[in-house]
Amino acid sequence: TQLLKQSPQFLSIQEGENLTVYCNSSSVFSSLQWYRQEPGEGPVLLVTVVTGGEVKKLKRLTFQFGDARKDSSLHITAAQPGDTGLYLCAGANDYKLSFGAGTTVTVRA
Amino acid sequence: NAGVMQNPRHLVRRRGQEARLRCSPVKGHSHVYWYRQLPEEGLKFMVYLQKENIIDESGMPKERFSAEFPKEGPSILRIQQVVRGDSAAYFCASSPIPGTGETQYFGPGTRLLVL
Repeated sequence: TQLLKQSPQFLSIQEGENLTVYCNSSSVFSSLQWYRQEPGEGPVLLVTVVTGGEVKKLKRLTFQFGDARKDSSLHITAAQPGDTGLYLCAGANDYKLSFGAGTTVTVRA
Repeated sequence: NAGVMQNPRHLVRRRGQEARLRCSPVKGHSHVYWYRQLPEEGLKFMVYLQKENIIDESGMPKERFSAEFPKEGPSILRIQQVVRGDSAAYFCASSPIPGTGETQYFGPGTRLLVL
């Protein structure tokens, strides 16, 4: 059973469009991380959100942590082919990370 | 500044053989975590080690799997008598601070294929 559910599982969009990936859980986490994973590589940390309601921006990426610290979203504005990859969310309680199954994003040129 | 290193990157074993996966943490990190990623599934926590100590092995199968992080040298994840279901990507992460999920840096993983 997946503690964190990500949706959608797959997302294919045209360059320049916007996209949102959701990460939902019934559990509360002390923090939530978003990672991006390329084929054949390990997850690379994009951002950590800690406070309920927190919003963080990284260039064209906007991350939001729900007020109850159970869910999160990742929004990409004006997606580019370089944004293609597997996006993973992970909830942390102490040292133990619980990962979602990931959203595979494909941005077509 | 070397990141987390894992070797081998790919490992092929026949059923019944042993698999040894190595992880060298970021220099100065003394906390190591192992995760397993099955196809179409998220990474699952297996074990958390500090130098010479296993802190939490609650995610590791009770049989055939063991992990160590000696005073000198890399952390080792050992799988004895491998079965086809052990085929997966195994990731190691390290952190400088104990007990947080926020500072774990992941290695590139070892892809284990059991024939």
